[in-house]
Amino acid sequence: SQTIHQWPATLVQPVGSPLSLECTVEGTSNPNLYWYRQAAGRGLQLLFYSVGIGQISSEVPQNLSASRPQDRQFILSSKKLLLSDSGFYLCAWSREQGRYGYTFGSGTRLTVV
Amino acid sequence: AQSVSQHNHHVILSEAASLELGCNYSYGGTVNLFWYVQYPGQHLQLLLKYFSGDPLVKGIKGFEAEFIKSKFSFNLRKPSVQWSDTAEYFCAVKTGTGGFKTIFGAGTRLFVKA
Repeated sequence: SQTIHQWPATLVQPVGSPLSLECTVEGTSNPNLYWYRQAAGRGLQLLFYSVGIGQISSEVPQNLSASRPQDRQFILSSKKLLLSDSGFYLCAWSREQGRYGYTFGSGTRLTVV
Repeated sequence: AQSVSQHNHHVILSEAASLELGCNYSYGGTVNLFWYVQYPGQHLQLLLKYFSGDPLVKGIKGFEAEFIKSKFSFNLRKPSVQWSDTAEYFCAVKTGTGGFKTIFGAGTRLFVKA
């Protein structure tokens, strides 16, 4: 069966520090991968998606970037965190462009101080 | 631009009460529709989905949703809620024109009183 792992679960970082959140999927090949940010009362905002190694599409301009160095690995990064980067970040994977829905990771609560 | 609206941000019900959570979307073409649920302390998980066929779809734990194309709606229902249904519920829409974007509603927090 397929599983998705996301870490760390919580992270407290100072303003201006770098960020690296990792997501890996097991039990499937060539998944579509996504990074979402969840804000209370505002639903989920798509940040990045990837259809293959090295292929990244960005949905909104921001202080973050994403990379996919391996088929089942998706990384969310920042060179210098801002206070506004605080939030709950979710990784997800899907088949067929998400036609049958997503499977989400457990999320990372990021607090920038 | 496509959007998804969930009418109620917070709902409080007593056990055994009936539930209906509203969801409307703005897109005139083919859609795939979803409800996701996030129980306290747990990750977001798929509750049910519609992509073709019978507009009344049944999901896990006794939930169902009805796709009414003419109303651009996909409301979630359960005849009798339980305390364990306390969670946040998200409606989501994926347009059928290709692409990878699934749009989520803002969520509805349901609290069921025992």
